[in-house]
Amino acid sequence: EAGVTQFPSHSVIEKGQTVTLRCDPISGHDNLYWYRRVMGKEIKFLLHFVKESKQDESGMPNNRFLAERTGGTYSTLKVQPAELEDSGVYFCASSQDRQMNTEAFFGQGTRLTVV
Amino acid sequence: GQSLEQPSEVTAVEGAIVQINCTYQTSGFYGLSWYQQHDGGAPTFLSYNALDGLEETGRFSSFLSRSDSYGYLLLQELQMKDSASYFCAVFSGGYNKLIFGAGTRLAVHP
Repeated sequence: EAGVTQFPSHSVIEKGQTVTLRCDPISGHDNLYWYRRVMGKEIKFLLHFVKESKQDESGMPNNRFLAERTGGTYSTLKVQPAELEDSGVYFCASSQDRQMNTEAFFGQGTRLTVV
Repeated sequence: GQSLEQPSEVTAVEGAIVQINCTYQTSGFYGLSWYQQHDGGAPTFLSYNALDGLEETGRFSSFLSRSDSYGYLLLQELQMKDSASYFCAVFSGGYNKLIFGAGTRLAVHP
């Protein structure tokens, strides 16, 4: 069974440009999360989808960030326009159902560098 | 609001035992999880405690006290490969929202 996959693994863009990150969760997982880790600090929650619905987007930094989950399958996170402080590793995770002991499976992350 | 507190760094020697503590404040608490992340890698699930007490999985054990809003991860017979960051995390709210602490960097020395 394929795990959570993220694309690209690395992205270097200039300030002001647009970048779109993609996450393919494990098939059948309703819950999909986006997180960001900056310079070895906390794994910061960005938002949570349940199927195609945004359940909680309280962690999204500002309106330059837009997340979508088409048909409840893969998800994209777009940053437009990118700023220097957006640099970090963006992780996607998915979990199977609403049982609270469900393990969340993480992708390898996308390392975004804004220069 | 929601917050989790854990030490930023812990150092230990091979073969030793180390305990990483986590205190939390959250609404709608359902359980405490622990994740391991090696540098450059993805966080991976270690354990989950929904009820008070100790859960043991091989060399790793996890403990929860709901009344104290406190838990810990116990690593025994430390090996060099255990050097990593360890995060406590809680499910909170009504829809499986999973939030993480700042992580504890464990360095295991010979």
